[in-house]
Amino acid sequence: GENVEQHPSTLSVQEGDSAVIKCTYSDSASNYFPWYKQELGKGPQLIIDIRSNVGEKKDQRIAVTLNKTAKHFSLHITETQPEDSAVYFCAASPSNDYKLSFGAGTTVTVRA
Amino acid sequence: DAGVIQSPRHEVTEMGQEVTLRCKPISGHNSLFWYRQTMMRGLELLIYFNNNVPIDDSGMPEDRFSAKMPNASFSTLKIQPSEPRDSAVYFCASSLGRTGNEQFFGPGTRLTVL
Repeated sequence: GENVEQHPSTLSVQEGDSAVIKCTYSDSASNYFPWYKQELGKGPQLIIDIRSNVGEKKDQRIAVTLNKTAKHFSLHITETQPEDSAVYFCAASPSNDYKLSFGAGTTVTVRA
Repeated sequence: DAGVIQSPRHEVTEMGQEVTLRCKPISGHNSLFWYRQTMMRGLELLIYFNNNVPIDDSGMPEDRFSAKMPNASFSTLKIQPSEPRDSAVYFCASSLGRTGNEQFFGPGTRLTVL
């Protein structure tokens, strides 16, 4: 099955700086890569996703890049704000499969 | 839209007791997922329903766990008998369609088994 590794496990950044989280996956059949944000006491919430027919997708301050050859994808948050503090999860799945394989999560802390 | 609704939000019980967790998916969604989240194992998929039918229960830890979806708007996850190692946050999620679509998570049920 799919194995997703996520790094780093914790990330502390100064407000206004950028944060980058990286994930690798093992199954070359995977072509759907969502990112979820989980705030304390809440369920994960989708913030952005990318499919393998594109290499990059951006939504305001967040962007995701995908390198299918190397089997890795990354989340970039620019101009970080205190409300960006949360746990972020990457995931991967073949688009013809319901099952998401999640990374272990990255705890992001934005220092004011 | 109210989103995915789970109840109870917190449950504390003693070892050996039966625990029932409840989920109401988003109206119109036809896929439902039960996950368990722990520090040690992260987010684990327990069972997946499509159109109220269990499709994959390979993640259910053992026979003590069972899940049902009697109709499109309600699902339960039951643990009987409960054990301390079942302590975790249990999430229900729903999505539209079978594959490759956003899964909407509920707020979770924090279960503590003493």
